[in-house]
Amino acid sequence: NAGVTQTPKFQVLKTGQSMTLQCAQDMNHNSMYWYRQDPGMGLRLIYYSASEGTTDKGEVPNGYNVSRLNKREFSLRLESAAPSQTSVYFCASSEARGLMNTEAFFGQGTRLTVV
Amino acid sequence: GEDVEQSLFLSVREGDSSVINCTYTDSSSTYLYWYKQEPGAGLQLLTYIFSNMDMKQDQRLTVLLNKKDKHLSLRIADTQTGDSAIYFCFTGGFKTIFGAGTRLFVKA
Repeated sequence: NAGVTQTPKFQVLKTGQSMTLQCAQDMNHNSMYWYRQDPGMGLRLIYYSASEGTTDKGEVPNGYNVSRLNKREFSLRLESAAPSQTSVYFCASSEARGLMNTEAFFGQGTRLTVV
Repeated sequence: GEDVEQSLFLSVREGDSSVINCTYTDSSSTYLYWYKQEPGAGLQLLTYIFSNMDMKQDQRLTVLLNKKDKHLSLRIADTQTGDSAIYFCFTGGFKTIFGAGTRLFVKA
């Protein structure tokens, strides 16, 4: 089982460059999420998509955009990368049932460095 | 909104028990979860407890839930060096909020 697949695993960008982080899940989950993880900050929610066709801002959405391309795929775009966006990015998915979620499954992460 | 708080660090000797604590504000979830993150990896589900239970035992793991105080704890018996990781509690709320996690150091 592939679960949640993120690409790329590593990326170095120059300030001002743009890029898209890809995420796909094969578990037919309704909800998908993008987090960033910084030392001592835990996981902070950037954007989430409760279902296909919907996206909502999380705790730290500034500087990012997302697209829920279909039920499987949820991409995160940095339009103009900044050094403050150096982080490890995780995509996750879960089965939403009403306002609750069941277990979340995580990808392996994308380590992004902006120089 | 939802809030989850955990202490950032815990250091124990190999063979001792570890207790990782979590307090939360959102008490509407059916399940509460503990996740483990090993270095360089994503989070993986470690164990969970149904919200109407007080305790769940799963081999070396014991989860205690105090719903009145909104307190969740994870006890790891006979802690091994392989248990060194970051542990996150997660209350299953809709926006899937995680705390900062507790980094467990196991000294040989």
